[in-house]
Amino acid sequence: ETGVTQSPTHLIKTRGQQVTLRCSSQSGHNTVSWYQQALGQGPQFIFQYYREEENGRGNFPPRFSGLQFPNYSSELNVNALELDDSALYLCASSVQGWETQYFGPGTRLLVL
Amino acid sequence: EDQVTQSPEALRLQEGESSSLNCSYTVSGLRGLFWYRQDPGKGPEFLFTLYSAGEEKEKERLKATLTKKESFLHITAPKPEDSATYLCAVLAGGTSYGKLTFGQGTILTVHP
Repeated sequence: ETGVTQSPTHLIKTRGQQVTLRCSSQSGHNTVSWYQQALGQGPQFIFQYYREEENGRGNFPPRFSGLQFPNYSSELNVNALELDDSALYLCASSVQGWETQYFGPGTRLLVL
Repeated sequence: EDQVTQSPEALRLQEGESSSLNCSYTVSGLRGLFWYRQDPGKGPEFLFTLYSAGEEKEKERLKATLTKKESFLHITAPKPEDSATYLCAVLAGGTSYGKLTFGQGTILTVHP
């Protein structure tokens, strides 16, 4: 059984640029959630996708957007990058939205 | 608003010295409480899900318990490889999606 995978592992961008992060969910999982984890903090919920629709969102501005594809993989897009967007971005998949979420290894984003 | 507080922030133990980590929570209608282990620069690794007060789960040297206000992660005779950050998260009821609210984590260091 393949676990959750994310790409790329590391990324460096400059302020104002746009970035796309990718996630492949665990086999049999149709729900993907995205989290942002700043250094020394717990992860913060960005949004969740279920069957290609966003079905829940945390306190993040609209420049954070996402997609889920028919194979349940997902993308997180961030426009107009700010220095504070530097963080570890985590993707998690689950069988249903309220079931146990299994996390990928994360993408470390640095905004200069 | 859902809140999760973990204590202590950091814990140093000698190998074999048992201890407990605390997770206090305030949530409207707990749907589940989750424990994860996170190694530096990696994604959280799932440990336990607890659903109702009085429930206990065990795995190797770890045991998680749940009351109506808090959860404990007991570590018996820890080894250096148990060193990691332990994260607690809650899933509240009342929504159709699974937003996990995390605590800030407890950094555990086990010295040989």
